Amino acid sequence: QKEVEQNSGPLSVPEGAIASLNCTYSDRGSQSFFWYRQYSGKSPELIMSIYSNGDKEDGRFTAQLNKASQYVSLLIRDSQPSDSATYLCASLTGGFKTIFGAGTRLFVKA
Amino acid sequence: ETGVTQTPRHLVMGMTNKKSLKCEQHLGHNAMYWYKQSAKKPLELMFVYNFKEQTENNSVPSRFSPECPNSSHLFLHLHTLQPEDSALYLCASSHDGLAGTGDTQYFGPGTRLTVL
Repeated sequence: QKEVEQNSGPLSVPEGAIASLNCTYSDRGSQSFFWYRQYSGKSPELIMSIYSNGDKEDGRFTAQLNKASQYVSLLIRDSQPSDSATYLCASLTGGFKTIFGAGTRLFVKA
Repeated sequence: ETGVTQTPRHLVMGMTNKKSLKCEQHLGHNAMYWYKQSAKKPLELMFVYNFKEQTENNSVPSRFSPECPNSSHLFLHLHTLQPEDSALYLCASSHDGLAGTGDTQYFGPGTRLTVL
């Protein structure tokens, strides 16, 4: 059974701090990885995608991928209360199958 | 707005009813997806269509029946559902669904389904 695992949280950080969200995946054949943000009652929206080992930065967000360790992370710098949401990690394997983790709830305290 | 619309946004139905969920994408994508999201559980992929052909059926019960008449429209026909089928049903689309291309999925707002 191919899985994506995330700590459900909640992860609580003060405003302005760095939030670190982690994810592991079981399928070594996974090629693409995604972080989605989902506000309560809303649908997921893409934050970052990453395909190669290393870091990828986009504004306050940095995604990190380590295929050897089957580990993906998302760092949010200068966290804001508006970043409070559930963050979903997803992997895309061969074919059309995207597997999502259950999500980590992030709470940024003002 | 992501360019993916879903109707209705909320649906309450009895176990003997027949209803349909509709999804439409205005992004020119070729792949469309149905997901089920239940409380405290990961998003569950139900069906994938690529160029109108079904490419994934993730062991979904036959009381859920998908239909994809063209690359822009996707339906989920519901019949004799159970209370445990109550969930948020999300539609998504992507360019072509192929791994390795970085194919991003764009989600619609979802249909909140309650089965009584």
